Amino acid sequence: DAGVIQSPRHEVTEMGQEVTLRCKPISGHDYLFWYRQTMMRGLELLIYFNNNVPIDDSGMPEDRFSAKMPNASFSTLKIQPSEPRDSAVYFCASSWGLLWEQYFGPGTRLTVT
Amino acid sequence: DQQVKQNSPSLSVQEGRISILNCDYTNSMFDYFLWYKKYPAEGPTFLISISSIKDKNEDGRFTVFLNKSAKHLSLHIVPSQPGDSAVYFCAASAWTTSGTYKYIFGTGTRLKVLA
Repeated sequence: DAGVIQSPRHEVTEMGQEVTLRCKPISGHDYLFWYRQTMMRGLELLIYFNNNVPIDDSGMPEDRFSAKMPNASFSTLKIQPSEPRDSAVYFCASSWGLLWEQYFGPGTRLTVT
Repeated sequence: DQQVKQNSPSLSVQEGRISILNCDYTNSMFDYFLWYKKYPAEGPTFLISISSIKDKNEDGRFTVFLNKSAKHLSLHIVPSQPGDSAVYFCAASAWTTSGTYKYIFGTGTRLKVLA
């Protein structure tokens, strides 16, 4: 298996623009997680899905953030409108179960100017 | 409010010696703990985990110790190798009162193993 795939790897955009991050989890994994990494706060869980259904989105910072999982092999994290403070590395991860280890993608480095 | 703390942002160790990475947590509801390793420009990779019913778990050169009364866990790497140089994250998890599962990661410790 190719592992968790994320695209794009880098994204530079201007404040106010819409940003869409994409993730393909490992086939057969029932859980998908979105994280944000910053220097100050480390890795923060934003939202997770079980069998394509959002279970806990309490980590989503504000209404500008939304995530979808239309099928078992694809998820998106959208920021609209983007702001400079959204600049971070965003990771997607998947796992077989909640207590199983998570497999992380390589991340998307987002820069909002 | 950081519920999982890694107070040492960096650590340098000589090759062949023991590396000890520490992690403290504040919430006694956490019942499962994990360590991840992260190389630059890559996502974190799972290293080792421990359930709250245990106080030690070993996997090759890696051992995790859990002290529930002190709300403290540590990762021991023996012997340390240059390839172990990376950022190490500890993570704690627990069921919430709303029936969801919460993962909290620390801010990471950068380990440098000197050859």
